[in-house]
Amino acid sequence: ELKVEQNPLFLSMQEGKNYTIYCNYSTTSDRLYWYRQDPGKSLESLFVLLSNGAVKQEGRLMASLDTKARLSTLHITAAVHDLSATYFCAVTGGGNKLTFGTGTQLKVEL
Amino acid sequence: EPEVTQTPSHQVTQMGQEVILRCVPISNHLYFYWYRQILGQKVEFLVSFYNNEISEKSEIFDDQFSVERPDGSNFTLKIRSTKLEDSAMYFCASSGSRQGSNQPQHFGDGTRLSIL
Repeated sequence: ELKVEQNPLFLSMQEGKNYTIYCNYSTTSDRLYWYRQDPGKSLESLFVLLSNGAVKQEGRLMASLDTKARLSTLHITAAVHDLSATYFCAVTGGGNKLTFGTGTQLKVEL
Repeated sequence: EPEVTQTPSHQVTQMGQEVILRCVPISNHLYFYWYRQILGQKVEFLVSFYNNEISEKSEIFDDQFSVERPDGSNFTLKIRSTKLEDSAMYFCASSGSRQGSNQPQHFGDGTRLSIL
């Protein structure tokens, strides 16, 4: 059974600081996704990572994938309050079914 | 930008009643999904649907659940006899293509199901 774990579960940080969220998964996966969820809202796609060494950046967020280590990171640079949300990674394992991580609740303090 | 739409946004139902959640996927997408999220927990896969049949389902998706694509646009999830533990946010998602694609699954805003 594919398992996906994220850490930390909760992250409180000040504006302007950098931090990294980690996503580990248990078996070989062909795709990894990062989603953002605001409270009571839907899931917004941030990144799709398809291959080992893939790196994608959008604004203050950068995601990377190491398939050998079964690890993805989401790096936040110079955080701003608007980035406060819950971030989920999700992987597929041979089909289209997404297995989600536990989520990281990020709070950026003004 | 095209989006997945879900109705209703909130459904309150008595335990034991049937409920139907509705979704309109993005029009040129071929793969449809239902997920659920119990309050404060992670998102869980229920079922995927392609070419008018279920392609994969989870252990959660038991005989009380069914999906249907009654016409060319709607995709529904039916729960026959609801239980208290069915209370959750239900998300519909769609995607345009299969494995190997760089396209993400696009999620609707969800239906909050409350079982009394």
